[in-house]
Order: sequence, then structure tokens, then C-alpha cells
Amino acid sequence: DSGVTQTPKHLITATGQRVTLRCSPRSGDLSVYWYQQSLDQGLQFLIQYYNGEERAKGNILERFSAQQFPDLHSELNLSSLELGDSALYFCASSASGQTYNEQFFGPGTRLTVL
Amino acid sequence: AQKVTQAQTEISVVEKEDVTLDCVYETRDTTYYLFWYKQPPSGELVFLIRRNSFDEQNEISGRYSWNFQKSTSSFNFTITASQVVDSAVYFCALRVESGSARQLTFGSGTQLTVLP
Repeated sequence: DSGVTQTPKHLITATGQRVTLRCSPRSGDLSVYWYQQSLDQGLQFLIQYYNGEERAKGNILERFSAQQFPDLHSELNLSSLELGDSALYFCASSASGQTYNEQFFGPGTRLTVL
Repeated sequence: AQKVTQAQTEISVVEKEDVTLDCVYETRDTTYYLFWYKQPPSGELVFLIRRNSFDEQNEISGRYSWNFQKSTSSFNFTITASQVVDSAVYFCALRVESGSARQLTFGSGTQLTVLP
């Protein structure tokens, strides 16, 4: 158990809908990262937050957004969902935003868009 | 841009065999960090090891060992006396010091199956 929690574990929804994925980092970790894992794209970095502020952006679509709250939990919002958004979404946390920090991953949220 | 290549898509071995998973990386940065993660069938990503670009010492942890060679830009992972529980997808990843986006760049993963 990495100490990172994600809810829900599974999510099934329809095209055009909007969903929110939630992540709680390990106790004491200030940085949160979101990743998408799909069969065709592999594991891709989406976005990073550090202590409430956006730190880095990867291949995140404009239909997706995220935020980190004062209690350090984070939410990833996915809107106008398409079939291709079906994937496993991971949240990871690290002690700081430093490059050398290992990231600890949550169990993931499996999103299925029908 | 950074790139990680794991050329072995799938490997199958019989229990107790040794197996090496290859990882080749590309970066122009002189300061970088390499990682290995394990993804068992249950789906979570488990951190295994971190290595920085200035430390080329090989590392051994139980049945696991890692061979880092800057000359060939490789960071290979060997499992000695493999066990069925080692069956998983293994990812090699790279993170560089420079740039505004210091994200993890993952390889495509190697699916290891250990047969009893």
C-alpha cells in the first residue's frame, strides 16, 4: 500500500458526460501528479500540482482540468467525455516537486466511457 | 526531448530462471533520474528503485539487481531465481532536472510472465 488513495476505483459513464476523480496523497507529500494509462498511448503524464499550485503540464486535453485543495487532495475533472478517454487514471504523490523524489502511485481509477 | 525504450514487449520464463529486462534512455541533460516501477495484475504501480545520473554503482536488493551504464544509456533490471509472483508489467522511467516540465517519461513496459 503506497499510502495514496484514489476514488472511485471504477467509473462507467457515457459519452458527453463529465466526471471527477479524486486523489489523496501520502501524508506529508506536497506534490500530486496525474497520469493516464491507455493501451495505445501507454503511461502519460497529465499534470502536476505542488502545494496547491499548478507546477507542470503534460499531454492534458483542454477538456480535462485539475486542482489541488488546501488539504492537499486533488481532483481531476474530465468533461465532454469521448470513447477514447477510457483509460486507467493514476494519481501519484511525492514529498516535494523535486526531480529526484520518487513518486508513489495510487491504485488508479478505471474509467470506461460507453 | 526525453525518451525511454523498452524493446522487450513480452518475456516468458520458467520459475527459478534469471531474467533481464532492458531499458535504454535518451536525454541531453546531464542530470537525470532513472526509475523502475512494477505493475502487477492488480493494476497499481509499485516503485522499485531510483538511480541518479552521477551514480553508476550497480545495486542489488534481494533477488533484484540493476545495472546502470551511462556509456550505453542503459538501465537494465535483472531478477534472479524468478518466482511466479514476479509476473507483472515492468516500467522503466526517466526524469530530467531541466525544463519546466520535470515529468516522468515512461517506457512502454515489459510484460514478464513467470511460469510455474
